[in-house]
Amino acid sequence: RKEVEQDPGPFNVPEGATVAFNCTYSNSASQSFFWYRQDCRKEPKLLMSVYSSGNEDGRFTAQLNRASQYISLLIRDSKLSDSATYLCVVNLDDKIIFGKGTRLHILP
Amino acid sequence: GAVVSQHPSWVICKSGTSVKIECRSLDFQATTMFWYRQFPKQSLMLMATSNEGSKATYEQGVEKDKFLINHASLTLSTLTVTSAHPEDSSFYICSARDRSRTSGRPYNEQFFGPGTRLTVL
Repeated sequence: RKEVEQDPGPFNVPEGATVAFNCTYSNSASQSFFWYRQDCRKEPKLLMSVYSSGNEDGRFTAQLNRASQYISLLIRDSKLSDSATYLCVVNLDDKIIFGKGTRLHILP
Repeated sequence: GAVVSQHPSWVICKSGTSVKIECRSLDFQATTMFWYRQFPKQSLMLMATSNEGSKATYEQGVEKDKFLINHASLTLSTLTVTSAHPEDSSFYICSARDRSRTSGRPYNEQFFGPGTRLTVL
């Protein structure tokens, strides 16, 4: 099993729709979790951290399920500018592990 | 937010030459920096972890003699691609980790440089 797994997509979603991604991780001792966004030919940028209690930032909601070892990202009222690759990131001790990313295309 | 710079942003060189890429943390101290490589439509692949004042830790399959890393200060790490070949053409990205708990940023968040696009002819 891969350390961090994501559905590569692409997810083609009409503007205004709600879309959700999941990411699974293999090591139950993983300590912190993040969602990054990467635009084409650009560096990744932190979108949000993921906490056990779940957290929300505007249209974005992130959740962590330690029992099932997955994290999720929900985007509501999607915008054209949300089109990007979303990277799931897991931290274990000093190691940062990136998922391969999920590509999202928002369609006008 | 924290800023990481990379220089140069792009470089084209002839096969056999060496290329040095600089990564700087501009407003925080980074005891640890990371070097990644990303081929088109591929995920980020960690090449090595650079620790200030000590030798870098290379990932499996990454040649340490080809990719020389120097982390001489808390704000600067350099990656030198020695005797570059066309297959080394890629997007090289560095990141720095802010371990500060008082900065208001998530603990262990990584800040990425803008990347260096290397093309070897």
